Amino acid sequence: AQSVTQLDSQVPVFEEAPVELRCNYSSSVSVYLFWYVQYPNQGLQLLLKYLSGSTLVESINGFEAEFNKSQTSFHLRKPSVHISDTAEYFCAVSPFSGGYNKLIFGAGTRLAVHP
Amino acid sequence: SQTIHQWPATLVQPVGSPLSLECTVEGTSNPNLYWYRQAAGRGLQLLFYSVGIGQISSEVPQNLSASRPQDRQFILSSKKLLLSDSGFYLCAWSTDLGRGRFGNTIYFGEGSWLTVV
Repeated sequence: AQSVTQLDSQVPVFEEAPVELRCNYSSSVSVYLFWYVQYPNQGLQLLLKYLSGSTLVESINGFEAEFNKSQTSFHLRKPSVHISDTAEYFCAVSPFSGGYNKLIFGAGTRLAVHP
Repeated sequence: SQTIHQWPATLVQPVGSPLSLECTVEGTSNPNLYWYRQAAGRGLQLLFYSVGIGQISSEVPQNLSASRPQDRQFILSSKKLLLSDSGFYLCAWSTDLGRGRFGNTIYFGEGSWLTVV
């Protein structure tokens, strides 16, 4: 079985400050890793994903995440946040097995960017 | 391009009443389809998934059911709603990569807010 732990339920930060949203996972099989973002009253949008290759992956809006297999982590970072980054962020894993393509989500981290 | 539509966006229903949420996907064929629920302050819980017409699998025991009458249509239903059914319901889809292949991106609809009163 797989589980995902997002260590912070809420992260307040000032605009233009750096931010890190932490994600750890547990799995007995190899997994793919995802970060999704949910803006208020909307569905989820894929932010970035790690399937293979370079352990550092980037999104088009300045976020990046690094897969650390030894620490089973996939933390999300941005060097300088904007007000528009205020949203809820979900880390998720997709196991290599199980018969179908599925996602297991963490509880989410609410990022609040203040002016 | 592919799109996913989900309706209604908001629903207030009394306890004991029936429920029907609908979801359709356009621009792709034979997608994998999913229903997730997001309870207040919690992450997302997978309720049902489907790999084909009439093929439904449930991840958790519950008061809800799902059906897939057409390739790109997925319906979430209940005969009698409970207070605990309140939440944000998300339909999602992914391309079917075939058996033994995983990790494809799952795309979500805009969600449906259900309040049971």
